[in-house]
Amino acid sequence: GQQLNQSPQSMFIQEGEDVSMNCTSSSIFNTWLWYKQDPGEGPVLLIALYKAGELTSNGRLTAQFGITRKDSFLNISASIPSDVGIYFCAGASSGNTGKLIFGQGTTLQVKP
Amino acid sequence: DAGVTQSPTHLIKTRGQQVTLRCSPKSGHDTVSWYQQALGQGPQFIFQYYEEEERQRGNFPDRFSGHQFPNYSSELNVNALLLGDSALYLCASSSLGQGNYGYTFGSGTRLTVV
Repeated sequence: GQQLNQSPQSMFIQEGEDVSMNCTSSSIFNTWLWYKQDPGEGPVLLIALYKAGELTSNGRLTAQFGITRKDSFLNISASIPSDVGIYFCAGASSGNTGKLIFGQGTTLQVKP
Repeated sequence: DAGVTQSPTHLIKTRGQQVTLRCSPKSGHDTVSWYQQALGQGPQFIFQYYEEEERQRGNFPDRFSGHQFPNYSSELNVNALLLGDSALYLCASSSLGQGNYGYTFGSGTRLTVV
């Protein structure tokens, strides 16, 4: 079945540093989504990408939909302590509306 | 405006028992999806309900079943519980008009099978 490989698995960075994480797939997706999950909570949508090559920003977050449709990356600039959490990529295929395939997550820790 | 509400928040069951989890979607949403999230893993799609029917199903056995009510709320039922069913069960609601990607997730039900 479809799988997403998300890397790195975890990151421990200093406040103020930039962060980059990515997601690759063996299959083509038509939509890429990035979520953040805090302990005891459900995932919260950060950025949605609907077109190959699309680059979208949401505050300090920037994400891109790879031109091959098999990858996506998320950058966080000037990290702050509240960026701590688990970041998930998720992909969706045409004809599979509603079914999201999630990566295994990147755990981000920020040292003040 | 309430978001997605799930109940109970935590549950402990014995192997072989049956469990029912409940979800109330966000106001204005008509589609409910259920995901299973094992510890340290990403959520895995179980199934989706729209207009009281199961529209799509992931790779889960028939022990997992669901229902959607006329008010759009939903239940997830799991029969003959196994230890491996221990996980966080997430409900996500959306509006079909949003192309199903405008998901709002609930905080989940933590199920522990002993």
